[in-house]
Amino acid sequence: TQLLEQSPQFLSIQEGENLTVYCNSSSVFSSLQWYRQEPGEGPVLLVTVVTGGEVKKLKRLTFQFGDARKDSSLHITAAQPGDTGLYLCAGSSNTGKLIFGQGTTLQVKP
Amino acid sequence: NAGVMQNPRHLVRRRGQEARLRCSPMKGHSHVYWYRQLPEEGLKFMVYLQKENIIDESGMPKERFSAEFPKEGPSILRIQQVVRGDSAAYFCASSPSIAGGYNEQFFGPGTRLTVL
Repeated sequence: TQLLEQSPQFLSIQEGENLTVYCNSSSVFSSLQWYRQEPGEGPVLLVTVVTGGEVKKLKRLTFQFGDARKDSSLHITAAQPGDTGLYLCAGSSNTGKLIFGQGTTLQVKP
Repeated sequence: NAGVMQNPRHLVRRRGQEARLRCSPMKGHSHVYWYRQLPEEGLKFMVYLQKENIIDESGMPKERFSAEFPKEGPSILRIQQVVRGDSAAYFCASSPSIAGGYNEQFFGPGTRLTVL
């Protein structure tokens, strides 16, 4: 059974601080997605990483896929209150379904 | 280009009734997935369908739940004889293909089912 462990589960920081969210598994994934979900809405795709060691940047967000394609991280620089939300990592299996981590609830206080 | 559409957004049913959740994928997408999100939990895969075919239903309860994606029309997730434990948010996602492991799935806004 493929599992994704996401940490931390909750994070409350001040505006301007940096943070990193981790997503770890003992399984290899063909690709990994990061989503952000607002209350009452569906997850919105932020990025997809496919190649081991790949790094992608989206403004203040940096995503990294581990060399062995088993883990990933999301780093946010100078967090802003608008970054508040639920961040989800999801690994794609060869059968098509996504395996989701438990999510990280981020609160950025002004 | 409209995104994934789901309706209804909110659905209230009494125990024993049937719930029908609809999903229209993004234009050009032929792969549809259903996920369930319980309060304070992550999303759990339920079923993966292509037009007229169920590809993977390993996450779907064996009883009371069924899904279809007909040649014409939206995908339907059907829950018969609902129980309180079925209360959750149900999300549909679609993707154009899963070729090469590049499986980007785009999610709808969800249907929030409440069973009284």
